[in-house]
Amino acid sequence: EPEVTQTPSHQVTQMGQEVILRCVPISNHLYFYWYRQILGQKVEFLVSFYNNEISEKSEIFDDQFSVERPDGSNFTLKIRSTKLEDSAMYFCASPRQTDALYGYTFGSGTRLTVV
Amino acid sequence: GQQLNQSPQSMFIQEGEDVSMNCTSSSIFNTWLWYKQDPGEGPVLLIALYKAGELTSNGRLTAQFGITRKDSFLNISASIPSDVGIYFCAGQLHAGKSTFGDGTTLTVKP
Repeated sequence: EPEVTQTPSHQVTQMGQEVILRCVPISNHLYFYWYRQILGQKVEFLVSFYNNEISEKSEIFDDQFSVERPDGSNFTLKIRSTKLEDSAMYFCASPRQTDALYGYTFGSGTRLTVV
Repeated sequence: GQQLNQSPQSMFIQEGEDVSMNCTSSSIFNTWLWYKQDPGEGPVLLIALYKAGELTSNGRLTAQFGITRKDSFLNISASIPSDVGIYFCAGQLHAGKSTFGDGTTLTVKP
């Protein structure tokens, strides 16, 4: 089964620093997603990316966040100036089928710890 | 925004018992999804439901898409130790995003 690959698996950063989380989504899909999960809580939508632009974003995805598809295979989430409350698991997801209404394949996540 | 109420929050059961959990929403969804998450991993899709009233099985798992499009349940029959984990319901209205429930933590005692 196709996989979504995320790197790094764990990142520790100082408050105020910039971080970039990387994802290699399933190829041949047009939709890409980032979700986050604070420890012990539910999975929360951050942003969806379609046809090389943001199609939808949540209130969490403020000006400190940005996404990019720098080349044909990578998808990145950047947090410009990290805050303590940004500590969470960040998951990249690809739709299981091209029309994106049949659920996702999630990556294993990046655990971000802001100190 | 849309909110999903998932219950129960946690369950402690004996191996071999059946399990039932459900999700309700104040607004409709076009797709209901059930995921399982193991510690340190991303959620894995178990069952996807696309039509109101639909009943779908995947091995020992059975899920239904409520007729009002505002609820769904998941049943696990004859539980085994590897069923341990956190189960999340999720609703999708369109291709843009999924809204997740708070999760049900399942513990199975051998």
